[in-house]
Amino acid sequence: ELKVEQNPLFLSMQEGKNYTIYCNYSTTSDRLYWYRQDPGKSLESLFVLLSNGAVKQEGRLMASLDTKARLSTLHITAAVHDLSATYFCAVDLVQGAQKLVFGQGTRLTINP
Amino acid sequence: EAGVTQFPSHSVIEKGQTVTLRCDPISGHDNLYWYRRVMGKEIKFLLHFVKESKQDESGMPNNRFLAERTGGTYSTLKVQPAELEDSGVYFCASSQGRREEQYFGPGTRLTVT
Repeated sequence: ELKVEQNPLFLSMQEGKNYTIYCNYSTTSDRLYWYRQDPGKSLESLFVLLSNGAVKQEGRLMASLDTKARLSTLHITAAVHDLSATYFCAVDLVQGAQKLVFGQGTRLTINP
Repeated sequence: EAGVTQFPSHSVIEKGQTVTLRCDPISGHDNLYWYRRVMGKEIKFLLHFVKESKQDESGMPNNRFLAERTGGTYSTLKVQPAELEDSGVYFCASSQGRREEQYFGPGTRLTVT
């Protein structure tokens, strides 16, 4: 059974600092997603990582994927308050059921 | 282009009552998914439709949950009778093809008292 673990689950940081959220998964997958959710809103797709070594960047966020280590990271550079949200990683299986398996989510709070 | 919409946004019902949640996918998306997030836990898969057919319902918790997608357009998820542990946020997502990106709706927050 595919399991996805994120850490940390809660993160409070100051504006201007850098930090990384980690996403580990337990079985082979070639597709990993990062989503952002604001309170009461839908999950907004941030990144889709499709291959080993993939790196994508959008603004202050950068995501990477290491399929051999079964690890993805979401790096936040010089955080700003607007990035406060809950971030989820999700993995889908290479074969079999068409479904996403999510991590627990990381609630990120950025303080001025 | 309209995104995935869900109705209602919130529902508060008593234990033993029935609730029906609705999801309208993005037009032209054959694949429709239901997920649920129970308080403080991860988002979990419930089931997957391809057009009107149930492709995978392995995540449905028990037979109190019934999902339909008549005509392959919108979908409903009925909980009957509701129990306290059914409280959570129910998300719907849709995608155009297999293993393509899923687009999520805003969710329905269900509270069973």
